[in-house]
Amino acid sequence: ILNVEQSPQSLHVQEGDSTNFTCSFPSSNFYALHWYRWETAKSPEALFVMTLNGDEKKKGRISATLNTKEGYSYLYIKGSQPEDSATYLCALHTGGFKTIFGAGTRLFVKA
Amino acid sequence: EPEVTQTPSHQVTQMGQEVILRCVPISNHLYFYWYRQILGQKVEFLVSFYNNEISEKSEIFDDQFSVERPDGSNFTLKIRSTKLEDSAMYFCASSEKDLGTGGYTFGSGTRLTVV
Repeated sequence: ILNVEQSPQSLHVQEGDSTNFTCSFPSSNFYALHWYRWETAKSPEALFVMTLNGDEKKKGRISATLNTKEGYSYLYIKGSQPEDSATYLCALHTGGFKTIFGAGTRLFVKA
Repeated sequence: EPEVTQTPSHQVTQMGQEVILRCVPISNHLYFYWYRQILGQKVEFLVSFYNNEISEKSEIFDDQFSVERPDGSNFTLKIRSTKLEDSAMYFCASSEKDLGTGGYTFGSGTRLTVV
């Protein structure tokens, strides 16, 4: 059974801090890696879909990198703001019509 | 911005009853999905639907479950004879492209409570 791991489970930072967290996955059968932001009482929102080893994507203050050979992706948030408080989910696509989600990293940004 | 709409937002049902969870995906999307999250656990895949048929299903998606896209806009998940362990948040999602190219647009979920 394929497993996607995210660390840390939760993270508390001060406003203005930069932070990063990790998604680890088995590198075999890799097709794509998704990142989502999930705010409380809302639905998960797509951030990035990454496919190529060495890929780096950016959306405002959020960026992500991908290493398919060693099986990990980092998500970075520069200058965290309270509105960045959310759960960040990664999901592995190994082909077919589904993804396998990690448990998420819960980020709390204190003003 | 187009949204995926789910109804109801919360459903309480007696064990053994049938429930239908409803979803209206984004109109130009081609791929449709149901996921669920049991409290404290990971989001888990149930079923995907493409070209008017089930394209993939998980081991969870047994004979108790069925999906339909009856009229080209609605996408429903039926759970027959509900069990306590079916209590979860159920998410509908759609995607315009395959998952190697694009991500999901999720609905806001239906919280199902089986008592």
